[in-house]
Amino acid sequence: DTAVSQTPKYLVTQMGNDKSIKCEQNLGHDTMYWYKQDSKKFLKIMFSYNNKELIINETVPNRFSPKSPDKAHLNLHINSLELGDSAVYFCASSSLATWESHSPLHFGNGTRLTVT
Amino acid sequence: DQQVKQNSPSLSVQEGRISILNCDYTNSMFDYFLWYKKYPAEGPTFLISISSIKDKNEDGRFTVFLNKSAKHLSLHIVPSQPGDSAVYFCAAKAGYALNFGKGTSLLVTP
Repeated sequence: DTAVSQTPKYLVTQMGNDKSIKCEQNLGHDTMYWYKQDSKKFLKIMFSYNNKELIINETVPNRFSPKSPDKAHLNLHINSLELGDSAVYFCASSSLATWESHSPLHFGNGTRLTVT
Repeated sequence: DQQVKQNSPSLSVQEGRISILNCDYTNSMFDYFLWYKKYPAEGPTFLISISSIKDKNEDGRFTVFLNKSAKHLSLHIVPSQPGDSAVYFCAAKAGYALNFGKGTSLLVTP
């Protein structure tokens, strides 16, 4: 009964491929996020999404797109993968959007993406 | 440009002693600060937070101090326990995003 679950845990793929990472939360939260932890260990916001608004970090290439089939899911699609996309991607959720409240984020366990 | 900095990548403390983890920030618009704890192969978990209008918040063995004039916050763990060994991330909020530091790896030795 993991609160925020991501699949797969590991993903190894070749340059140029298209891949998706799935995320589901069973906390009843309204807002979900994707964060990227790069090789320098920085955790950086990629997207914030609730049913009202999608906010995109302007530094994120448009090869990355979030897709939310319902409130409990926010999947990450990546097109034309590049070597520099190798990182750990964390999904997170909160009861209210961070811009509305101080609700802490609940993170998934991460997906380690390796692009060869 | 990192707005949240944790300049100590690692810290080793003996069990029972105090652990002090430090964090500096540059953006005066940050209005809320949080500490997260992360074990290997897991996501960060929320530990404790503090609003910019306060200078101290305490929760059991964990206390966070905020010095706004110095743009500095610290997390104190007393007494430290071996189970506290993890990576600790400082985070600061302004607008829609949390800005994270690089983390400090704490090792508590028996």
